Amino acid sequence: DQQVKQNSPSLSVQEGRISILNCDYTNSMFDYFLWYKKYPAEGPTFLISISSIKDKNEDGRFTVFLNKSAKHLSLHIVPSQPGDSAVYFCAASEAYKLSFGAGTTVTVRA
Amino acid sequence: DAGVIQSPRHEVTEMGQEVTLRCKPISGHNSLFWYRQTMMRGLELLIYFNNNVPIDDSGMPEDRFSAKMPNASFSTLKIQPSEPRDSAVYFCASSRRNLGGTGELFFGEGSRLTVL
Repeated sequence: DQQVKQNSPSLSVQEGRISILNCDYTNSMFDYFLWYKKYPAEGPTFLISISSIKDKNEDGRFTVFLNKSAKHLSLHIVPSQPGDSAVYFCAASEAYKLSFGAGTTVTVRA
Repeated sequence: DAGVIQSPRHEVTEMGQEVTLRCKPISGHNSLFWYRQTMMRGLELLIYFNNNVPIDDSGMPEDRFSAKMPNASFSTLKIQPSEPRDSAVYFCASSRRNLGGTGELFFGEGSRLTVL
């Protein structure tokens, strides 16, 4: 049973606009949430994270929002750039164990 | 600084053959993970080592799969005998996290396995 769900398999956005990626989880014991980015033929690379005690974390163009009551988090990318075209994985941590969503493929159009 | 190094990058083998995937974690990292990525199941954790000791192997699909970490700088994932349904990309990842801690994982580039 998938504890982390990314219901949108793909997202297409115009360069310069905002990309919003969504993620839902079911396990209330998750204490840390992360986003990873993956290019073809490469391993996932860490993008940004948020502790369960916070509701927002910002790093440059990337902001992650956490709504614990709704068990929902989102990643905002503003402005979107062509190099942001990749697969984005949402992940949630319980102690050492990271559970990943299925990923959302983002395509940034020029 | 070198990242997580995996070999081989690609492996094509026939059903029934033994497959060994290798991983060198980042120096100083005390946790090592093997993940498998498939279209059907996404990224799933196979096994987790902390300080070279297997802590959680509940994700290892069957007895045909085994993993070892003889020292802090080397780990192997072995499949014997291999089956077509084992075809996937296998990722190794390492981190400085401890058993109860959190921290980002650093992934290798993956080993793409195709079993014919």
